[in-house]
Amino acid sequence: GAVVSQHPSRVICKSGTSVKIECRSLDFQATTMFWYRQFPKQSLMLMATSNEGSKATYEQGVEKDKFLINHASLTLSTLTVTSAHPEDSSFYICSAAGTAEGSSYEQYFGPGTRLTVT
Amino acid sequence: SQKIEQNSEALNIQEGKTATLTCNYTNYSPAYLQWYRQDPGRGPVFLLLIRENEKEKRKERLKVTFDTTLKQSLFHITASQPADSATYLCALDRDNQGGKLIFGQGTELSVKP
Repeated sequence: GAVVSQHPSRVICKSGTSVKIECRSLDFQATTMFWYRQFPKQSLMLMATSNEGSKATYEQGVEKDKFLINHASLTLSTLTVTSAHPEDSSFYICSAAGTAEGSSYEQYFGPGTRLTVT
Repeated sequence: SQKIEQNSEALNIQEGKTATLTCNYTNYSPAYLQWYRQDPGRGPVFLLLIRENEKEKRKERLKVTFDTTLKQSLFHITASQPADSATYLCALDRDNQGGKLIFGQGTELSVKP
């Protein structure tokens, strides 16, 4: 299967600072990437859809000014958590849509980034 | 409201037995359903996709069924091994296009030797 990487794998930052997380598709071009958040013992929640060359679309309840997404190329999407607070501490996971088969998409997930805000 | 639910209780089974995990959904009409495996501190790994017109799909020791009348999918691991221990997630494409996945909360499987 295709490989998606994330960097960093773990980050600790102070409250009020900003953190950037990178998501790369290593061996295929991804016109669409997705960003999810997962709190402990909970499932993944879709935050936003990142489209190459255009603005991201955000899910209801996700602040677009707080979670800035940039999809500058077909292999890279970045998520910047601005003015981070302890409640933003979570596991952030990106995915990239691979080959389309009709109306279905197989998705390849990154290994995740553990963000801790102190 | 729309829901996708998995058995939240952990499933403990003996090595060699068949594990069966359940995924139920309400107020969705999914064109397909996916199953993923997630290990602690890692991202999900795609396992199987089953379409609405498919009753059953197999891949090695894995089998998935999809009953659109019952609005349920069952995920089976036959001849289970301790290495199969993980959390298993089912997911639907919310809009049946574009890949915006809605996940169940996952079922933690533990296979004892």
